[in-house]
Amino acid sequence: EVQLLESGGGLVQPGESLRLSCAASGFTFTTYAMAWVRQAPGKGLEWVSAIGTSGKHTYYADSLKGQFTISRDNSKNTLSLQMNSLRVEDTAIYYCAKSTGGSGRLRGFDIWGQGTVVTVSS
Amino acid sequence: QSVLTQPPSVSGAPGQRVTISCTGNSSNIGADYDVHWYQQLPGTAPKLLIYDSANRPSGVPDRFSGSKSGTSASLAIAGLQAEDEATYYCQSFDSSLSGAVFGGGTKLTVL
Repeated sequence: EVQLLESGGGLVQPGESLRLSCAASGFTFTTYAMAWVRQAPGKGLEWVSAIGTSGKHTYYADSLKGQFTISRDNSKNTLSLQMNSLRVEDTAIYYCAKSTGGSGRLRGFDIWGQGTVVTVSS
Repeated sequence: QSVLTQPPSVSGAPGQRVTISCTGNSSNIGADYDVHWYQQLPGTAPKLLIYDSANRPSGVPDRFSGSKSGTSASLAIAGLQAEDEATYYCQSFDSSLSGAVFGGGTKLTVL
């Protein structure tokens, strides 16, 4: 079964860090770009970051450059998102998503995880 | 304010046909980048409905169809069913932002 399983969410204070992970199974992980998409409470979807198949090429939403770092471990079929200097407005459900091809920016996302909740609050 | 503009809500009676628009500009849809559509039921992750503007993944009923023209794209849902009640999002690539962008979402109500 094709599956993405996120973990690592939780409650943190403003300024703290958090690392999200996404375990992929059921497909050839190295063939597809991957991405993170978030959804703030009661709001729409927001593309956060994407990474190419090898991990060499990474992309970020303008507002998040320098704050988040995306990475992947193709030997472990795992995608990660390191989030630093978290702000209240980063509170959201964070979804891991599989691209339909080699681009995590141009292509659609056909497989989504169940999401992990990140809450930033003092 | 989303880069891609969708109507906040649409509605239709069972059996009817509805369309949801997604309007962009010359940096995204107008630059001939593909549009993808998602359905999100309350409390669940989004589901890909249409990819590359007009293609359906396996398992998606042919009641759902997508099209693109100029700086806009549309999702059409024929033969509305109660289970179609959800929020629908469009997605494309924006060259000025150099990233993927989503529409603000359209809530479909089946009357």
